[in-house]
Amino acid sequence: AQTVTQSQPEMSVQEAETVTLSCTYDTSESDYYLFWYKQPPSRQMILVIRQEAYKQQNATENRFSVNFQKAAKSFSLKISDSQLGDAAMYFCAYRSGGTYKYIFGTGTRLKVLA
Amino acid sequence: DSGVTQTPKHLITATGQRVTLRCSPRSGDLSVYWYQQSLDQGLQFLIQYYNGEERAKGNILERFSAQQFPDLHSELNLSSLELGDSALYFCASSVEVRGQETQYFGPGTRLLVL
Repeated sequence: AQTVTQSQPEMSVQEAETVTLSCTYDTSESDYYLFWYKQPPSRQMILVIRQEAYKQQNATENRFSVNFQKAAKSFSLKISDSQLGDAAMYFCAYRSGGTYKYIFGTGTRLKVLA
Repeated sequence: DSGVTQTPKHLITATGQRVTLRCSPRSGDLSVYWYQQSLDQGLQFLIQYYNGEERAKGNILERFSAQQFPDLHSELNLSSLELGDSALYFCASSVEVRGQETQYFGPGTRLLVL
């Protein structure tokens, strides 16, 4: 069975600095998708970025980028120029290419210090 | 605002009772997902419907059931409620464009079982 692990329950970053959130996953499949979701205090789940496993190029979305290491089964999220509005829970998620079941990690709470 | 609506926003009930949570997807989205988020936990995938048919099933308890109606809204029924069922229940609708699926989450229904 697939698993998603986020080993950092909480991280802090100074405003305008860069922070990296870690995620590892376990799967025997070759076709899958990986996601980072943000959950601010409002509890609304918001897609931050996605990565298709077949793509070697790391995905980027403005200040958010990922470091996708397929062999190591690692999928970290880098947030550059951190802003106060980035403070939230961040969840890493996996979806098999053959099914529509999403598996979420336990989350990392990011605090942004002014 | 994601365009996905969930009612009610809050629900307080007693053990042993039965409740129904409702979700209206974004206009045009055929797919509906249900998730459970217990306190400070990640999201647990429960079930997915596509155009009225069940397409994927996660760790959904036998006491829980769901359906998607012809107008594409969905309902999650929780019966014989236990204290441990207290959680935030999310619905998400999704659209797939050129093989990329994007989920849009509703604001959630917070269920408290006393």
